[in-house]
Amino acid sequence: AQSVSQHNHHVILSEAASLELGCNYSYGGTVNLFWYVQYPGQHLQLLLKYFSGDPLVKGIKGFEAEFIKSKFSFNLRKPSVQWSDTAEYFCAVKDTDKLIFGTGTRLQVFP
Amino acid sequence: NAGVTQTPKFQVLKTGQSMTLQCAQDMNHNSMYWYRQDPGMGLRLIYYSASEGTTDKGEVPNGYNVSRLNKREFSLRLESAAPSQTSVYFCASSEALLAEDTQYFGPGTRLTVL
Repeated sequence: AQSVSQHNHHVILSEAASLELGCNYSYGGTVNLFWYVQYPGQHLQLLLKYFSGDPLVKGIKGFEAEFIKSKFSFNLRKPSVQWSDTAEYFCAVKDTDKLIFGTGTRLQVFP
Repeated sequence: NAGVTQTPKFQVLKTGQSMTLQCAQDMNHNSMYWYRQDPGMGLRLIYYSASEGTTDKGEVPNGYNVSRLNKREFSLRLESAAPSQTSVYFCASSEALLAEDTQYFGPGTRLTVL
């Protein structure tokens, strides 16, 4: 079965810094990849998803992610973070009919 | 559209008590899911329902039962709560089980078992 690794458990940045959160999945073939965000006290919301085509995927709020098949990776990026990006970020991969989540990365952005 | 709604928002139980968590969606989705979220472990799938009338076990089904009451509603029951079931429970729905289908999440139920 697929598994997802998010190696950054807690990231602390100042506003305007660039962000890259790592996500690796365990095996290849056709994959469908997602990034979800959970703002404090709120439910999960979809940031972006990839299932085919252009490996550079643009999502909401200025986020993007790049699917690199050779590295089994789907890293999330944002050129300049804001205080409002403080949240927990989850990478997920679709494994047949189930969504497998990583353990999450907690991002804190300080003004 | 309310999306996915869950009741209650918070619940405290004593060990051995039972309770049912309710979930409803108004998006006419076929598939529904129950997850639990624990610190450092992400979200883990408890049970899911591909369509009305079907349910299947996920990664951590022990101690739980589910009912897909109709297309809109999918409930999760704890028959005899244990402290290990202290968690935040999220319900989700998607149009189907297709790979590209997005899952939409409810606001969660924070459950504490003493």
